[in-house]
Amino acid sequence: DADVTQTPRNRITKTGKRIMLECSQTKGHDRMYWYRQDPGLGLRLIYYSFDVKDINKGEISDGYSVSRQAQAKFSLSLESAIPNQTALYFCATSDPDPARDTQYFGPGTRLTVL
Amino acid sequence: GQQVMQIPQYQHVQEGEDFTTYCNSSTTLSNIQWYKQRPGGHPVFLIQLVKSGEVKKQKRLTFQFGEAKKNSSLHNTATQTTDVGTYFCAGSRLTGGGNKLTFGTGTQLKVEL
Repeated sequence: DADVTQTPRNRITKTGKRIMLECSQTKGHDRMYWYRQDPGLGLRLIYYSFDVKDINKGEISDGYSVSRQAQAKFSLSLESAIPNQTALYFCATSDPDPARDTQYFGPGTRLTVL
Repeated sequence: GQQVMQIPQYQHVQEGEDFTTYCNSSTTLSNIQWYKQRPGGHPVFLIQLVKSGEVKKQKRLTFQFGEAKKNSSLHNTATQTTDVGTYFCAGSRLTGGGNKLTFGTGTQLKVEL
């Protein structure tokens, strides 16, 4: 089984709808992240969490919120989706040891906002 | 804030040719990581460089970290069709809250037979 899973894998929704993307991990990592990927812009950090009680904004957090329900679960919400939030969304985890601070990505969720 | 620029954005090579992608940070990095994303897939960690001037090899890939720890390169020799994908660098910088990772914009590699 995959270490980092995301649901749904694809979602089409309409402007103004509330959307939740979910992420689960079995790696036992405390650190979890949400990124969005757009063509030519690489991966941009939306929110990150270093443990269950820690939530931090990334570089593009406007229009998004997150919830860290447990060490293994980190969900991303779009309160009122808009078309420019159409993108590929990735969840990731990492080991807190700086020597092994690599990111383990989930398979991604492709979101389309009409 | 920290910026990580990566060039070129696109690279088309013939099978058997070499290719190189470059990564430049606006700030000094504690380490740099490289990832590969196959078409339709997710980024997968390749390697991490930590020391100034460090060079690491991984099969046909050679990775370098600059002396000033602000730039890095990935060089691939004798490119194969299986090398197709997007290559990302990611610069890690120590902050008060721990390591902060910033991804470059990626180099999308296409290989022609």
